[in-house]
Formats: sequence, C-alpha cells, structure tokens
Amino acid sequence: DQQVKQNSPSLSVQEGRISILNCDYTNSMFDYFLWYKKYPAEGPTFLISISSIKDKNEDGRFTVFLNKSAKHLSLHIVPSQPGDSAVYFCAASNFGNEKLTFGTGTRLTIIP
Amino acid sequence: DTGVSQNPRHKITKRGQNVTFRCDPISEHNRLYWYRQTLGQGPEFLTYFQNEAQLEKSRLLSDRFSAERPKGSFSTLEIQRTEQGDSAMYLCASSLEVRSSYEQYFGPGTRLTVT
Repeated sequence: DQQVKQNSPSLSVQEGRISILNCDYTNSMFDYFLWYKKYPAEGPTFLISISSIKDKNEDGRFTVFLNKSAKHLSLHIVPSQPGDSAVYFCAASNFGNEKLTFGTGTRLTIIP
Repeated sequence: DTGVSQNPRHKITKRGQNVTFRCDPISEHNRLYWYRQTLGQGPEFLTYFQNEAQLEKSRLLSDRFSAERPKGSFSTLEIQRTEQGDSAMYLCASSLEVRSSYEQYFGPGTRLTVT
C-alpha cells in the first residue's frame, strides 16, 4: 500500500527554468510533509517542509505547495541550476507517529 | 562535521553471517531512526528511539534484526543470519523533539551486500 506516491520517475528541465515535482498521498492523517534531495552514495538531505495548516512555504529558490483537498503537494525550484540534478523524495508524517513515509522518488536532471 | 555519521559505509558479507552497523546522531538530537532503502524505492521505516527507549518497530524488522541505543547516544543495528534479501542501503537519521516540526537528518548510509 503506497501511501505516498511520486508518479514521475524522472524529469528533465532546462537550466534557468522552473522545475515542478509532484507528490500525492492517500492517508488523510498525514499533517506534515517534507522534501528531501539525494545525491548518489549520500543520504537524503532535508530541503523544505510544510505543515497541513499552511498551503505554501518558501525557502529561497524552493517553494512547496500543499493542496489538502486534493491530497497533493508540489515542489517548485526556480531558477533551476545544474547542482539541482538529484533524486527528490517526498515524505509525510503525522503528529504522534514519528516515522516518515516516503515516495519512490523523482530523478531531476537539469540540462545546461 | 557535526552531522549524522554511519559506519561502515560499505559491508559485503556471506549469507548466514551476522553484521552490525553503527550510527552516531547529531549530538543534541534525542530521537534516532533506522530506515532501509532498496533500489528504486524510497527509504522505509524500520525502528526509532527516543533517548534509549525503542518506541516503534516496523513489521519489516524481522526477528533477525535488533537495534539498540545504549545511554541514548549512538545506536547499533544488528542483522543475524543474513539473507540475500537483506541487501540494501541502511540509513540512520536523527531529530530533535520539537512539536512543530518533524525534520529528520540523515547519515550517508551503510550499503550492505549479501553474497
């Protein structure tokens, strides 16, 4: 039962353009969402998060949008840079349950 | 470097052998987590500790797996009688208990290959 889904295994974007990564979830108990970035041979690196009481959170070039009614979130990267090429994981949690439930990841490739 | 560290980074073992991995969390973090990641998948939760208490174990954690966190500092994950299906990246993460956020910070992982 995949409670967090990233339906696009890969995405290619031109340098300088916007990258949009999508994530859907099925468990309505989730109330906190996170995005992680992973380079090969390294552990996931925390990027940005959002609580279910918000619908947007920004941090520099990264913005996460949450649509609770659609159980959908997205990560926007503007402008995209070559160093953004990595695998991006969406994760979810809920208060009182400490584990993170991850999606299967989207490989983002930024084309110079 | 004050991040999460894991040792060893790579481990190759023969089926049936026991292996032990170590995780050193960020020093002020009181929560420690173990995850497993296989090819093409996201990390899957195995277990977590708050201080020295193991508070939750996934059904993925069979009887051959045991984790400890003595004194609430570093943690070890032991796999007994390894099987080829145990081949995976084992990730450790830590966090500080804060009611408003759930960010976990990951180490580089230990890649286990069972031959």
